[in-house]
Amino acid sequence: DQQVKQNSPSLSVQEGRISILNCDYTNSMFDYFLWYKKYPAEGPTFLISISSIKDKNEDGRFTVFLNKSAKHLSLHIVPSQPGDSAVYFCAAPSGGGADGLTFGKGTHLIIQP
Amino acid sequence: NAGVTQTPKFRVLKTGQSMTLLCAQDMNHEYMYWYRQDPGMGLRLIHYSVGEGTTAKGEVPDGYNVSRLKKQNFLLGLESAAPSQTSVYFCASSFHRESYTFGSGTRLTVV
Repeated sequence: DQQVKQNSPSLSVQEGRISILNCDYTNSMFDYFLWYKKYPAEGPTFLISISSIKDKNEDGRFTVFLNKSAKHLSLHIVPSQPGDSAVYFCAAPSGGGADGLTFGKGTHLIIQP
Repeated sequence: NAGVTQTPKFRVLKTGQSMTLLCAQDMNHEYMYWYRQDPGMGLRLIHYSVGEGTTAKGEVPDGYNVSRLKKQNFLLGLESAAPSQTSVYFCASSFHRESYTFGSGTRLTVV
């Protein structure tokens, strides 16, 4: 059973507009969430995170929103830039945290000029 | 500061051959992980280690073995490679659940 779900395999957004990437989870024990960005032929790099005690975390152009009652989080990128074209993974720490991260399948964001 | 280094970056194996993937980190992290990424599957945890001399199974451990003889190194072994193990392998290390650093990956093809 997939505990972290990203139901949109790809998303195309015009440069300058807002990109919204969605993530749903089923495990109510998750108390921390991370977003990773991945370019081709590179490893994932950390982008932004949020604790379950918050409903919003902002870092520059990136904002993550958490709706615990809906078990849903979203990543907003404003304004979208060509360098944002990448695969974005939503993840949550498994178990007590040392057990690694559980990842969604990823969303390929394409920023069009 | 190299972070997490994986060797080799590419490898082609014949079915039944064995190989070892090496992961090295210079951040003095306690925790290390091996993931595989397949098209449309995201990253799945193979094995992990919470300290020198310890290892544990992840989500997809079958066909793999690991060793953590030194804190900075985490080895992933394939004893008898199968085509189903064709994948991109990522190593990661962390000192805290909120901070994971990934290597650049090893692309393995088993023919």
